[in-house]
Amino acid sequence: GIQVEQSPPDLILQEGANSTLRCNFSDSVNNLQWFHQNPWGQLINLFYIPSGTKQNGRLSATTVATERYSLLYISSSQTTDSGVYFCAVEPSGTYKYIFGTGTRLKVLA
Amino acid sequence: DGGITQSPKYLFRKEGQNVTLSCEQNLNHDAMYWYRQDPGQGLRLIYYSQIVNDFQKGDIAEGYSVSREKKESFPLTVTSAQKNPTAFYLCASSFRTLQGTGANVLTFGAGSRLTVL
Repeated sequence: GIQVEQSPPDLILQEGANSTLRCNFSDSVNNLQWFHQNPWGQLINLFYIPSGTKQNGRLSATTVATERYSLLYISSSQTTDSGVYFCAVEPSGTYKYIFGTGTRLKVLA
Repeated sequence: DGGITQSPKYLFRKEGQNVTLSCEQNLNHDAMYWYRQDPGQGLRLIYYSQIVNDFQKGDIAEGYSVSREKKESFPLTVTSAQKNPTAFYLCASSFRTLQGTGANVLTFGAGSRLTVL
């Protein structure tokens, strides 16, 4: 089956710093989402981004489906950005999302 | 407000007992999913359903069962055959037409934490 790997696995930032999270996948996909999991376990959809670039405030994402990767950019990080970031992909020909390994982010005040 | 409701939020059970986790959505979504998350790990797919009265096994279906008798509801039963049932269980739904068109955007419930004593 498809492999979805995220890097880095852990990241510690000082408030105000910028960061880039990466998601690599091993096969073609129809859809891709980025999620933020807060300390209470709730998964919040950040981006639905099967291809191209989107921006939402301090966050932006880019997916290059032909090269099988996606990037999530966080600018001017805040302590509330802390948590785990997951990418999830829907492999071509399936109707199910497979989740990546996650990046655990901690932003220090 | 439209959304996904999971209940209970916390559940404690003795080993060997079956438990059923509830998932209800009022988003008029066709597809529903169950994922399991162990501490410090990612999400793994247990079962998913594209339409009423139909469902498919995910990657870790052994020891679990589901039903999809109504569009709004997708309950998950954790049976005594599940060897290590203590985990965080997340239900999700998405809008997907039978033709597979439209964006398949997952929306999650708040989750249910099951602890087996």
